[in-house]
Amino acid sequence: SQKIEQNSEALNIQEGKTATLTCNYTNYSPAYLQWYRQDPGRGPVFLLLIRENEKEKRKERLKVTFDTTLKQSLFHITASQPADSATYLCALDNDYKLSFGAGTTVTVRA
Amino acid sequence: DVKVTQSSRYLVKRTGEKVFLECVQDMDHENMFWYRQDPGLGLRLIYFSYDVKMKEKGDIPEGYSVSREKKERFSLILESASTNQTSMYLCASRPDRGQSYEQYFGPGTRLTVT
Repeated sequence: SQKIEQNSEALNIQEGKTATLTCNYTNYSPAYLQWYRQDPGRGPVFLLLIRENEKEKRKERLKVTFDTTLKQSLFHITASQPADSATYLCALDNDYKLSFGAGTTVTVRA
Repeated sequence: DVKVTQSSRYLVKRTGEKVFLECVQDMDHENMFWYRQDPGLGLRLIYFSYDVKMKEKGDIPEGYSVSREKKERFSLILESASTNQTSMYLCASRPDRGQSYEQYFGPGTRLTVT
């Protein structure tokens, strides 16, 4: 069966450190993978899209990698700040629909 | 900016009631989606629509129906609400079926069925 797993439900890190989130999938062949941020009580907000032929994508302090052989994406937040505290969701393109992981909640301590 | 609005932020209904959740987007997007979000399960797709009067079942359509009479509006209907439909409901829209653009989400409706 198809499955998307995000490494852990919660990640606590010190301000200034790099947070690394993992998204693993099985029985998908996504052409794209997306990452979203969700704050409590709000809808998800799009952050980054990476295509299957792209190894890495950056946007400001965010970096995403996509390894179709390992069936894995890594999401990095560098120089983290308390304002980065949120839940981060990975989503796989599934015949133009999206299939979402359960999310990882990141808490950045000042 | 794309704006997706949902009719209610919080809703409390009784078991057996018919419930309507409304979603409106203002960017002329062809595609619209309804998800429910539960702790530990992530977002699960209920129904989606890629054009007016067109609809397709998602992963968990049982107990739900949808209506899309106008391009900007996509309604989710719970014909007879049950307690296991207590959840956060999120609507999203996306332009153009052929491209993998990001989805734009509304703020969500937290539905409690008692």
